[in-house]
Amino acid sequence: DTAVSQTPKYLVTQMGNDKSIKCEQNLGHDTMYWYKQDSKKFLKIMFSYNNKELIINETVPNRFSPKSPDKAHLNLHINSLELGDSAVYFCASSQDRRATHTFGSGTRLTVV
Amino acid sequence: DQQVKQNSPSLSVQEGRISILNCDYTNSMFDYFLWYKKYPAEGPTFLISISSIKDKNEDGRFTVFLNKSAKHLSLHIVPSQPGDSAVYFCAASIGGSNYKLTFGKGTLLTVNP
Repeated sequence: DTAVSQTPKYLVTQMGNDKSIKCEQNLGHDTMYWYKQDSKKFLKIMFSYNNKELIINETVPNRFSPKSPDKAHLNLHINSLELGDSAVYFCASSQDRRATHTFGSGTRLTVV
Repeated sequence: DQQVKQNSPSLSVQEGRISILNCDYTNSMFDYFLWYKKYPAEGPTFLISISSIKDKNEDGRFTVFLNKSAKHLSLHIVPSQPGDSAVYFCAASIGGSNYKLTFGKGTLLTVNP
């Protein structure tokens, strides 16, 4: 039973499209995150949510909109996709701000 | 602006020997450090951590050393096993708050049988 699951695992789409990546955790954690790993392999925080409230927004373009319908879900919607959005996106969760992260297996987004 | 640096993109060691992975940081506000391990097509998994009030933390074959004056930490794996072959990420946070972890680029460790 996967602790943090992301769908889809792979996503290939054209520039200008709108797409969503879904994330669900069954660990009962209060905090969820989105990270982006770019072509240079840096893993960078995008958003942190605690109990459905936005805690961290790391100067991400407003084309990226996270949505947390409940504590167990944090979806990422991306409007007007650009070539530079191609990356691997990881969802993660933790019990609280001091706890370590449990990561999903990632979504590889390719914009063509 | 790389606040957490892993200057060795890769490291190769023989099975049974020690693996030493290094990490440097520039932000003196960092006070909690973590190592994550990542296999291909999987997400990172937590390995070991250390608070800035300590200079060493050990968990089985894994030991992390912290040198605050040098802003340097290292992960020692003894003995190394082929199953340890993975990418290792160093990460840091401020105030013990993992709401915002800052990661390095990772080091690919290959342990040869």
